[in-house]
Amino acid sequence: DAGVIQSPRHEVTEMGQEVTLRCKPISGHNSLFWYRQTMMRGLELLIYFNNNVPIDDSGMPEDRFSAKMPNASFSTLKIQPSEPRDSAVYFCASSPWTPWNEQFFGPGTRLTVL
Amino acid sequence: GQQLNQSPQSMFIQEGEDVSMNCTSSSIFNTWLWYKQDPGEGPVLLIALYKAGELTSNGRLTAQFGITRKDSFLNISASIPSDVGIYFCAGSWGAQKLVFGQGTRLTINP
Repeated sequence: DAGVIQSPRHEVTEMGQEVTLRCKPISGHNSLFWYRQTMMRGLELLIYFNNNVPIDDSGMPEDRFSAKMPNASFSTLKIQPSEPRDSAVYFCASSPWTPWNEQFFGPGTRLTVL
Repeated sequence: GQQLNQSPQSMFIQEGEDVSMNCTSSSIFNTWLWYKQDPGEGPVLLIALYKAGELTSNGRLTAQFGITRKDSFLNISASIPSDVGIYFCAGSWGAQKLVFGQGTRLTINP
């Protein structure tokens, strides 16, 4: 079975540009999570969805970040406008309805904002 | 908020040695998970623990859910080169929101 799929794997952009990260969760999983990983702060939960509905977005850094899940097989994380401090690895993870906490991670998108 | 203290931060061992690492929480958890992350990849789930005192193995890996519900341990026996990576503990109480430790970086000298 395919795992969580993320694209692109690497993104280099200039400050001020819009960045869109994409995620396809594991088929049949009901929950989807977006994380950010940096050396300084480790793994941080940005937002998560249950059945395509955003449940907790308290980890989203600021209004420049937005996430959508239009259907059960696709989610996007958008940064507009991007800033150098947004440079990080962004992970998408999904989990089945039960057990809720066994989250399966994608390979990540390494974002560099110049 | 909940915090996890994972130790040690890094380990340098010889191939064939056993490895032990642990995680402690400032509050009670009802789920403990252990992940391994290889360079350039996402964390991979190794072991999940759901009951205080539970001891679970996955090959050469063994993890335990501490009886106090505030700690967990991961042991790797007879380490091999492919065990190199960063190991993360993660815990939660009830809701889906996992709290992650800062990771233990394992380096193995052949």
